[in-house]
Amino acid sequence: EPEVTQTPSHQVTQMGQEVILRCVPISNHLYFYWYRQILGQKVEFLVSFYNNEISEKSEIFDDQFSVERPDGSNFTLKIRSTKLEDSAMYFCASRGTSGRNEQFFGPGTRLTVL
Amino acid sequence: AQKVTQVQTEISVVEKEDVTLDCVYETRDTTYYLFWYKQPPSGELVFLIRRNSFDEQNEISGRYSWNFQKSTSSFNFTITASQVVDSAVYFCALSGRGSTLGRLYFGRGTQLTVWP
Repeated sequence: EPEVTQTPSHQVTQMGQEVILRCVPISNHLYFYWYRQILGQKVEFLVSFYNNEISEKSEIFDDQFSVERPDGSNFTLKIRSTKLEDSAMYFCASRGTSGRNEQFFGPGTRLTVL
Repeated sequence: AQKVTQVQTEISVVEKEDVTLDCVYETRDTTYYLFWYKQPPSGELVFLIRRNSFDEQNEISGRYSWNFQKSTSSFNFTITASQVVDSAVYFCALSGRGSTLGRLYFGRGTQLTVWP
């Protein structure tokens, strides 16, 4: 069964460094999302993306964040200058264009900012 | 505004007990979707069910059942004859038509622990 994959599974970085989190959505999906989950808290929406454009973003998704679909398969989230409070699990999700609109999530990348 | 409330933070049951996880939602949209996701200790989010606002029929899938009641804005999830493998955090989520691509609003989750 097709699935969303994410790399790396765990990333440790120093405060102020740039990180890029990578996702490979399900191949025939066209809608892509990033969410994050701070340890022990709820899952929060960051951004949605379609047709090479951001469709919607939350207040969390400030100028330090950017997303890109550099080729036909990858979908990346970049954090330009990480802060301690960016430490969280980051989930990528994708959705197809059929009538069903459930989002399928990847296994997550745990980001630790020291 | 969209909001999902899961008032039960933690629930502990013994294997074979039935357990119901509560979910209450708020939305101004007339068309919306409700979801349940499971997050086992390994951390991934596993889709369980989607319900649209027009379909109030209850649904059963094996030991899982869902009770959608528009009148009380609730979408509760029952596990019958719980098993240790059901131990996980369960999230209820809402997606409204006001969002272009259907961003999900999650509740805070309910940690379910099933003891042998």
